[in-house]
Amino acid sequence: QKEVEQDPGPLSVPEGAIVSLNCTYSNSAFQYFMWYRQYSRKGPELLMYTYSSGNKEDGRFTAQVDKSSKYISLFIRDSQPSDSATYLCAMSVYRAAGNKLTFGGGTRVLVKP
Amino acid sequence: EADIYQTPRYLVIGTGKKITLECSQTMGHDKMYWYQQDPGMELHLIHYSYGVNSTEKGDLSSESTVSRIRTEHFPLTLESARPSHTSQYLCASSVGTGLAKNIQYFGAGTRLSVL
Repeated sequence: QKEVEQDPGPLSVPEGAIVSLNCTYSNSAFQYFMWYRQYSRKGPELLMYTYSSGNKEDGRFTAQVDKSSKYISLFIRDSQPSDSATYLCAMSVYRAAGNKLTFGGGTRVLVKP
Repeated sequence: EADIYQTPRYLVIGTGKKITLECSQTMGHDKMYWYQQDPGMELHLIHYSYGVNSTEKGDLSSESTVSRIRTEHFPLTLESARPSHTSQYLCASSVGTGLAKNIQYFGAGTRLSVL
């Protein structure tokens, strides 16, 4: 079983809708949670990162972390066709062997005009 | 916006050639990483470095090698390219003052095709 699970999609929504993305994880020690957006044939772009439980808002994006449920979410309000991309969640925890990110597999999102 | 640069963006090369993929960052980050990603697939960590003269292999076995002689530079080398090396290679660097903090910023990637 993977440490981080993410539905691969595709998730298709009409323009203007709210996009809801989530990841579940099994390692309760994860402390930092990140969301990346990756356009086709490009590198991942950091959207937001959060530490600990709670909400964080940045423009049209809201990230939520629920540590008790081991569940994180990303909401995109007023979605635009330019939001069509793959969204990756990532998490980090201190490990004695070296601190590496653990990524979800990514969810492909299509916003239709 | 992250200042991490990868060159070349695209490379088509014949089997058996030696290639070096360049990665540079201007943010002064100590930690740098190389990932391999096939189209529509997950990211796989192949190398990482926590500082000058420090390199480690990642989770996915790779025939490539890396070096870290300068903080800002983390090149990846394939001594003899093969078609199985065809993939996208992504470089990243990270900032983190705490033990668990590892916020990584990515370059645009190099798409390698070996014929």
